[in-house]
Amino acid sequence: DAGITQSPRHKVTETGTPVTLRCHQTENHRYMYWYRQDPGHGLRLIHYSYGVKDTDKGEVSDGYSVSRSKTEDFLLTLESATSSQTSVYFCAISELSGKAFFGQGTRLTVV
Amino acid sequence: GESVGLHLPTLSVQEGDNSIINCAYSNSASDYFIWYKQESGKGPQFIIDIRSNMDKRQGQRVTVLLNKTVKHLSLQIAATQPGDSAVYFCAETLSGGGADGLTFGKGTHLIIQP
Repeated sequence: DAGITQSPRHKVTETGTPVTLRCHQTENHRYMYWYRQDPGHGLRLIHYSYGVKDTDKGEVSDGYSVSRSKTEDFLLTLESATSSQTSVYFCAISELSGKAFFGQGTRLTVV
Repeated sequence: GESVGLHLPTLSVQEGDNSIINCAYSNSASDYFIWYKQESGKGPQFIIDIRSNMDKRQGQRVTVLLNKTVKHLSLQIAATQPGDSAVYFCAETLSGGGADGLTFGKGTHLIIQP
């Protein structure tokens, strides 16, 4: 799994509550990404980071924020969870080559 | 595991046969392509990649073909095995590097029949 740990692996939360997902890497890769995966949509990019404190929005960033205070950690926060954010979330890492490696995913259910 | 295979195109092949999975990409400026395999309950796993200055690349039992003229990518798996059953995604990137992330296709569900 390329030294990527996502936590938690499963979470059920209520609508309107804040949620933070964590991605931790041990590969010292520069780039980190958060994707969500939904039936019929494949994987879509939420946010990405190209270094400590350097982040940018992806295709589906509304309702999400991220932070990267250390090279190894990339946090994804849902400020106020909605049912449309029920999904499987994947963290990925890469170097400049573009070859990305993925974590095992976090299944989030918003009820 | 997650039901990420809902409504996906499905390819069913006999064990031992070769399989070909196709992907049409949208952006002619894309210059780096990757095939991923995803088993139920797991994250996508890198299989093979190819850059736009190549039209073919081979790995162990897998070959990727790139046709830039028609923006088409294919993954050939030789002598399929039960462990090849999974959802396969193609992905593309514009930057040629890691900066902007990958754009994924919808995926194809490969089923290996005994």
